[in-house]
Amino acid sequence: QQPVQSPQAVILREGEDAVINCSSSKALYSVHWYRQKHGEAPVFLMILLKGGEQKGHDKISASFNEKKQQSSLYLTASQLSYSGTYFCGTVHAGNMLTFGGGTRLMVKP
Amino acid sequence: DTEVTQTPKHLVMGMTNKKSLKCEQHMGHRAMYWYKQKAKKPPELMFVYSYEKLSINESVPSRFSPECPNSSLLNLHLHALQPEDSALYLCASSQDFKRGVQETQYFGPGTRLLVL
Repeated sequence: QQPVQSPQAVILREGEDAVINCSSSKALYSVHWYRQKHGEAPVFLMILLKGGEQKGHDKISASFNEKKQQSSLYLTASQLSYSGTYFCGTVHAGNMLTFGGGTRLMVKP
Repeated sequence: DTEVTQTPKHLVMGMTNKKSLKCEQHMGHRAMYWYKQKAKKPPELMFVYSYEKLSINESVPSRFSPECPNSSLLNLHLHALQPEDSALYLCASSQDFKRGVQETQYFGPGTRLLVL
């Protein structure tokens, strides 16, 4: 079952923050975050496993709330290079990775 | 090195043509995947190979025929495609494959296919 991402699109000025949410109606085993620039391959950002963990590198971090069956991706002090479409992928017990509809992020100077 | 390579980058074919897409990885991964991605949509899983054997076929039409000659190579043979099959075809690989224990997948740049 496809996870639901919100918002569908967001426009930021350089230096602003953004939050992208990913929610599922079923119990999650893991959440994977990818960024895809136009015409390029999806690039892996991070994976979060059940247990309510939080991860991050540089100014991009994510949280996983197992109880609420949702994950959030936090983009801090956005840079032009952050522009692209962000996909969350969710895994439920016994199932394959399924991607959400994507969130299109545009960072303007 | 987390590189997955795909050839060709672009492909235009007629509905009566036969063509093949190629994917290669040298990370020692034992699982490889084919995805189809339409514009402004997420990747959709087509096939999964684990240890060179087909593990998953997501009800893909027989005009798409996957092949895994060895652990580093994955092909997708195309025959009698329809215009609606035009899309970006992505290959990915992961260390291993087990349902519900999804390991990180690394994607190639894709082949942009146009069927006329």
